[in-house]
Amino acid sequence: EAQVTQNPRYLITVTGKKLTVTCSQNMNHEYMSWYRQDPGLGLRQIYYSMNVEVTDKGDVPEGYKVSRKEKRNFPLILESPSPNQTSLYFCASSFYRADTDTQYFGPGTRLTVL
Amino acid sequence: EDKVVQSPLSLVVHEGDTVTLNCSYEVTNFRSLLWYKQEKKAPTFLFMLTSSGIEKKSGRLSSILDKKELFSILNITATQTGDSAIYLCGTSYDKVIFGPGTSLSVIP
Repeated sequence: EAQVTQNPRYLITVTGKKLTVTCSQNMNHEYMSWYRQDPGLGLRQIYYSMNVEVTDKGDVPEGYKVSRKEKRNFPLILESPSPNQTSLYFCASSFYRADTDTQYFGPGTRLTVL
Repeated sequence: EDKVVQSPLSLVVHEGDTVTLNCSYEVTNFRSLLWYKQEKKAPTFLFMLTSSGIEKKSGRLSSILDKKELFSILNITATQTGDSAIYLCGTSYDKVIFGPGTSLSVIP
């Protein structure tokens, strides 16, 4: 089944403890992206990747890192999480570009930073 | 600063009503206008619009883009309770910018 998977789905952590949220797609998509969703603010793009080894900042990249070493995986790294990073995170992918192809979203990861 | 504005932010209608959701944008770079529907889970794709004045339709939903006035509308006719969701509008170039969403509630 074609899908975008994220792990973990739920995570409660403490300030400063490094964490990684994994994202994987099995559709051979070139474009992958991370978003965070907060009440009243909609979806905000954190980072995106047009292809392997190519990543760019979205609207809210501060406090996050990403890497794209393989086409299928696009992990989101929080080196030193803070409470203002408590949010619902979505990974998404599209075949070529977000402006020409449908984005498929993962199920979301609900992160709480205490 | 790039921004996408949606109105209304929240809307309650009765089944069978027709609704119009608005989206205006002010962005540095633009290739397409996106509409997604989000129920209690991940957003799902509705429309991608790149040309002005060409209506896209899918069942009871339709959307159109005006690139001169920098806005788009999403129409839903004969609404059903299953249309209750958050509707997200966004613009895309390489980066994607979404608005805050319109929360639609359809009551029987």
